[in-house]
Amino acid sequence: AQSVTQLGSHVSVSEGALVLLRCNYSSSVPPYLFWYVQYPNQGLQLLLKYTSAATLVKGINGFEAEFKKSETSFHLTKPSAHMSDAAEYFCAVSPPGYSTLTFGKGTMLLVSP
Amino acid sequence: DAGVIQSPRHEVTEMGQEVTLRCKPISGHNSLFWYRQTMMRGLELLIYFNNNVPIDDSGMPEDRFSAKMPNASFSTLKIQPSEPRDSAVYFCASSPSVGRGTDTQYFGPGTRLTVL
Repeated sequence: AQSVTQLGSHVSVSEGALVLLRCNYSSSVPPYLFWYVQYPNQGLQLLLKYTSAATLVKGINGFEAEFKKSETSFHLTKPSAHMSDAAEYFCAVSPPGYSTLTFGKGTMLLVSP
Repeated sequence: DAGVIQSPRHEVTEMGQEVTLRCKPISGHNSLFWYRQTMMRGLELLIYFNNNVPIDDSGMPEDRFSAKMPNASFSTLKIQPSEPRDSAVYFCASSPSVGRGTDTQYFGPGTRLTVL
């Protein structure tokens, strides 16, 4: 069975500071990994995904994530936070050959001026 | 493309009433997913369809919940009878392919259900 753990239900940063949102996965086989973002009162949209190609994945809005098999991690980073980045971020895992996603509990990113 | 369309966006009903949530997936997509989002349990997969056929409904909470996909462009999630603990945001999502874990799922805006 696949599972995802997101450390920290809330992360607060100042505008311009580094954003780091943590995600660890559990899987019996190397999975596919995703980060989705949810803005208030909206559905989820894809930020980026790892599909066994390059381990460093770049996504939209300046976000990137690195797949580290030895650490079973897929942390999301952005060098400089903007106020518009305030949202909830979800890490998700999908086993190869299956189309279903298992989501983490989410991390709310708060950005202060 | 208009994206995934869900209706209604908000539904307030009384305990015991029947509730029907509707979803129109992106045209040409072959997989459709229903999720429920609550503060306590996060995002849970309820059921998913491949080519209009239900594949896994193990996430459906109980027999009060049912889902159908009569054609490639329409799906419903029905709760009968509804209970206060069903209050949540229900999302529909679609993806292009069947059985490809690399596919992006495209989410609708959700239906916020409140059962009084």
